[in-house]
Amino acid sequence: KNEVEQSPQNLTAQEGEFITINCSYSVGISALHWLQQHPGGGIVSLFMLSSGKKKHGRLIATINIQEKHSSLHITASHPRDSAVYICAARPRSQGNLIFGKGTKLSVKP
Amino acid sequence: GAVVSQHPSWVICKSGTSVKIECRSLDFQATTMFWYRQFPKQSLMLMATSNEGSKATYEQGVEKDKFLINHASLTLSTLTVTSAHPEDSSFYICSARSGESYEQYFGPGTRLTVT
Repeated sequence: KNEVEQSPQNLTAQEGEFITINCSYSVGISALHWLQQHPGGGIVSLFMLSSGKKKHGRLIATINIQEKHSSLHITASHPRDSAVYICAARPRSQGNLIFGKGTKLSVKP
Repeated sequence: GAVVSQHPSWVICKSGTSVKIECRSLDFQATTMFWYRQFPKQSLMLMATSNEGSKATYEQGVEKDKFLINHASLTLSTLTVTSAHPEDSSFYICSARSGESYEQYFGPGTRLTVT
Protein backbone atom coordinates (compact mmCIF):
# COMPACT_ATOMS: atom_id res chain seq x y z
CA LYS A 1 0.00 0.00 0.00
CA ASN A 2 1.32 3.44 -0.95
CA GLU A 3 2.00 5.83 1.87
CA VAL A 4 0.22 8.51 -0.16
CA GLU A 5 -3.01 7.58 -1.91
CA GLN A 6 -4.97 9.79 -4.27
CA SER A 7 -8.47 9.48 -5.59
CA PRO A 8 -9.83 9.44 -8.13
CA GLN A 9 -7.13 8.30 -10.55
CA ASN A 10 -8.95 9.85 -13.49
CA LEU A 11 -11.59 12.54 -13.51
CA THR A 12 -13.57 14.01 -16.38
CA ALA A 13 -15.66 17.09 -15.77
CA GLN A 14 -17.70 19.59 -17.73
CA GLU A 15 -16.54 23.19 -17.81
CA GLY A 16 -17.89 25.06 -14.81
CA GLU A 17 -18.15 22.06 -12.51
CA PHE A 18 -16.77 22.00 -8.97
CA ILE A 19 -13.98 19.46 -8.67
CA THR A 20 -12.54 17.68 -5.66
CA ILE A 21 -9.41 15.56 -5.59
CA ASN A 22 -8.57 13.65 -2.44
CA CYS A 23 -5.29 12.63 -0.85
CA SER A 24 -4.79 10.34 2.13
CA TYR A 25 -1.47 9.59 3.76
CA SER A 26 -0.34 7.17 6.42
CA VAL A 27 2.76 8.85 7.86
CA GLY A 28 3.17 11.80 10.18
CA ILE A 29 3.99 14.78 8.04
CA SER A 30 5.53 18.20 8.38
CA ALA A 31 3.97 19.50 5.16
CA LEU A 32 1.83 18.43 2.23
CA HIS A 33 2.20 19.73 -1.31
CA TRP A 34 -0.25 19.90 -4.18
CA LEU A 35 1.44 19.99 -7.57
CA GLN A 36 0.13 20.44 -11.09
CA GLN A 37 1.73 18.77 -14.10
CA HIS A 38 0.61 19.81 -17.57
CA PRO A 39 0.92 17.52 -20.61
CA GLY A 40 4.25 19.14 -21.51
CA GLY A 41 5.62 17.76 -18.26
CA GLY A 42 6.58 20.83 -16.24
CA ILE A 43 5.50 20.81 -12.62
CA VAL A 44 4.04 23.79 -10.81
CA SER A 45 3.75 23.89 -7.06
CA LEU A 46 0.18 24.96 -6.22
CA PHE A 47 0.10 24.78 -2.45
CA MET A 48 2.12 23.76 0.53
CA LEU A 49 0.05 23.07 3.64
CA SER A 50 0.77 22.07 7.18
CA SER A 51 -2.68 22.88 8.61
CA GLY A 52 -6.04 24.39 7.76
CA LYS A 53 -6.89 25.78 4.38
CA LYS A 54 -5.32 27.84 1.61
CA LYS A 55 -6.94 29.56 -1.35
CA HIS A 56 -5.45 30.87 -4.56
CA GLY A 57 -7.86 32.09 -7.20
CA ARG A 58 -10.22 29.22 -8.04
CA LEU A 59 -8.11 26.67 -6.19
CA ILE A 60 -8.64 25.72 -2.56
CA ALA A 61 -6.59 23.20 -0.59
CA THR A 62 -7.54 21.85 2.82
CA ILE A 63 -5.84 19.50 5.20
CA ASN A 64 -7.04 17.58 8.27
CA ILE A 65 -3.97 16.50 10.19
CA GLN A 66 -5.90 14.25 12.61
CA GLU A 67 -7.55 12.36 9.75
CA LYS A 68 -4.39 12.41 7.60
CA HIS A 69 -6.36 13.71 4.66
CA SER A 70 -6.14 16.60 2.25
CA SER A 71 -8.38 17.80 -0.56
CA LEU A 72 -7.82 20.02 -3.56
CA HIS A 73 -10.89 21.81 -4.87
CA ILE A 74 -11.27 23.65 -8.15
CA THR A 75 -14.26 25.97 -8.48
CA ALA A 76 -15.74 26.90 -11.88
CA SER A 77 -13.44 24.47 -13.68
CA HIS A 78 -12.05 25.38 -17.08
CA PRO A 79 -10.45 23.30 -19.87
CA ARG A 80 -7.10 24.91 -19.06
CA ASP A 81 -7.30 23.20 -15.65
CA SER A 82 -6.81 19.89 -17.47
CA ALA A 83 -3.62 18.42 -16.03
CA VAL A 84 -2.35 15.80 -13.63
CA TYR A 85 -2.63 16.85 -9.99
CA ILE A 86 -0.15 15.29 -7.61
CA CYS A 87 -0.24 15.18 -3.85
CA ALA A 88 3.15 14.90 -2.12
CA ALA A 89 3.77 14.47 1.60
CA ARG A 90 6.89 15.46 3.46
CA PRO A 91 7.31 13.03 6.37
CA ARG A 92 8.40 14.43 9.70
CA SER A 93 11.21 11.90 9.80
CA GLN A 94 12.91 12.85 6.52
CA GLY A 95 13.26 15.64 4.03
CA ASN A 96 12.18 13.80 0.90
CA LEU A 97 8.70 14.03 -0.53
CA ILE A 98 6.53 10.96 -0.98
CA PHE A 99 4.38 11.33 -4.08
CA GLY A 100 0.92 10.08 -4.83
CA LYS A 101 0.30 8.57 -8.25
CA GLY A 102 -1.56 11.62 -9.45
CA THR A 103 -5.08 12.38 -10.60
CA LYS A 104 -5.56 13.04 -14.29
CA LEU A 105 -8.19 15.74 -14.72
CA SER A 106 -9.82 16.45 -18.04
CA VAL A 107 -12.25 19.38 -18.25
CA LYS A 108 -14.45 19.38 -21.35
CA PRO A 109 -15.77 22.61 -22.83
CA GLY B 1 7.30 32.48 -6.49
CA ALA B 2 10.82 31.14 -6.78
CA VAL B 3 11.97 29.92 -10.16
CA VAL B 4 13.96 26.84 -11.05
CA SER B 5 15.16 26.36 -14.62
CA GLN B 6 16.46 23.31 -16.40
CA HIS B 7 18.55 23.06 -19.53
CA PRO B 8 18.08 21.57 -22.00
CA SER B 9 14.32 21.08 -22.07
CA TRP B 10 14.76 18.11 -24.37
CA VAL B 11 17.70 16.18 -25.75
CA ILE B 12 18.19 13.27 -28.12
CA CYS B 13 21.46 11.39 -27.93
CA LYS B 14 22.98 8.22 -29.27
CA SER B 15 23.45 5.16 -27.12
CA GLY B 16 26.82 5.20 -25.37
CA THR B 17 27.19 8.95 -25.17
CA SER B 18 26.90 11.12 -22.06
CA VAL B 19 24.38 13.87 -21.48
CA LYS B 20 24.53 16.68 -18.94
CA ILE B 21 21.39 18.33 -17.58
CA GLU B 22 21.60 21.60 -15.66
CA CYS B 23 19.31 22.76 -12.91
CA ARG B 24 19.48 26.36 -11.74
CA SER B 25 17.71 28.27 -9.00
CA LEU B 26 17.22 31.74 -10.45
CA ASP B 27 16.26 33.90 -7.51
CA PHE B 28 17.18 32.00 -4.36
CA GLN B 29 20.01 29.96 -2.92
CA ALA B 30 19.27 26.27 -3.21
CA THR B 31 21.01 24.51 -0.36
CA THR B 32 19.35 21.23 -1.34
CA MET B 33 18.49 19.99 -4.79
CA PHE B 34 16.59 16.86 -5.72
CA TRP B 35 16.70 14.90 -8.96
CA TYR B 36 13.69 12.88 -10.04
CA ARG B 37 12.92 10.61 -12.94
CA GLN B 38 9.45 10.08 -14.32
CA PHE B 39 8.45 7.34 -16.73
CA PRO B 40 5.27 7.72 -18.81
CA LYS B 41 2.08 7.62 -16.76
CA GLN B 42 4.02 7.11 -13.54
CA SER B 43 4.74 9.34 -10.62
CA LEU B 44 8.06 11.00 -9.87
CA MET B 45 10.79 8.77 -8.49
CA LEU B 46 13.50 10.35 -6.41
CA MET B 47 16.94 9.52 -7.75
CA ALA B 48 19.19 11.51 -5.47
CA THR B 49 19.44 14.40 -3.04
CA SER B 50 22.35 16.80 -3.12
CA ASN B 51 23.45 19.45 -0.69
CA GLU B 52 25.68 22.23 -1.92
CA GLY B 53 29.33 21.35 -1.57
CA SER B 54 28.85 17.73 -0.58
CA LYS B 55 28.34 14.41 -2.31
CA ALA B 56 24.88 13.44 -3.42
CA THR B 57 22.86 10.82 -1.57
CA TYR B 58 21.46 8.31 -4.01
CA GLU B 59 18.27 6.30 -3.59
CA GLN B 60 18.46 2.55 -3.54
CA GLY B 61 18.78 1.11 -7.03
CA VAL B 62 20.16 4.28 -8.60
CA GLU B 63 23.70 3.82 -9.91
CA LYS B 64 25.85 6.70 -8.74
CA ASP B 65 28.52 6.00 -11.36
CA LYS B 66 25.94 6.22 -14.10
CA PHE B 67 24.06 9.26 -12.86
CA LEU B 68 26.70 11.75 -11.78
CA ILE B 69 25.40 14.63 -9.72
CA ASN B 70 27.34 17.78 -8.98
CA HIS B 71 26.05 20.57 -6.76
CA ALA B 72 29.01 22.90 -6.85
CA SER B 73 27.22 26.16 -6.10
CA LEU B 74 24.10 27.39 -4.36
CA THR B 75 22.39 28.03 -7.68
CA LEU B 76 23.51 25.14 -9.90
CA SER B 77 23.28 21.38 -9.86
CA THR B 78 24.06 19.11 -12.78
CA LEU B 79 23.03 15.56 -13.59
CA THR B 80 25.20 13.71 -16.09
CA VAL B 81 23.85 10.49 -17.56
CA THR B 82 26.94 8.57 -18.56
CA SER B 83 27.04 5.94 -21.30
CA ALA B 84 23.35 6.43 -21.93
CA HIS B 85 21.18 3.51 -23.01
CA PRO B 86 17.68 3.55 -24.49
CA GLU B 87 16.26 2.46 -21.13
CA ASP B 88 17.56 5.75 -19.67
CA SER B 89 15.06 7.58 -21.87
CA SER B 90 12.83 9.38 -19.42
CA PHE B 91 11.69 12.75 -18.10
CA TYR B 92 14.17 14.14 -15.58
CA ILE B 93 13.00 16.78 -13.14
CA CYS B 94 14.95 18.71 -10.56
CA SER B 95 13.64 20.60 -7.58
CA ALA B 96 15.29 22.92 -5.12
CA ARG B 97 14.85 23.96 -1.54
CA SER B 98 16.42 26.73 0.48
CA GLY B 99 17.67 26.02 3.99
CA GLU B 100 15.20 24.18 6.19
CA SER B 101 12.21 25.63 4.35
CA TYR B 102 9.46 23.14 3.57
CA GLU B 103 8.82 24.85 0.25
CA GLN B 104 10.21 22.99 -2.72
CA TYR B 105 10.33 24.47 -6.20
CA PHE B 106 10.31 22.31 -9.31
CA GLY B 107 12.06 22.78 -12.62
CA PRO B 108 10.23 22.34 -15.94
CA GLY B 109 11.93 19.01 -16.64
CA THR B 110 14.21 17.61 -19.34
CA ARG B 111 13.01 14.95 -21.73
CA LEU B 112 15.86 12.61 -22.63
CA THR B 113 15.58 10.24 -25.57
CA VAL B 114 18.41 7.80 -26.18
CA THR B 115 18.44 6.21 -29.63
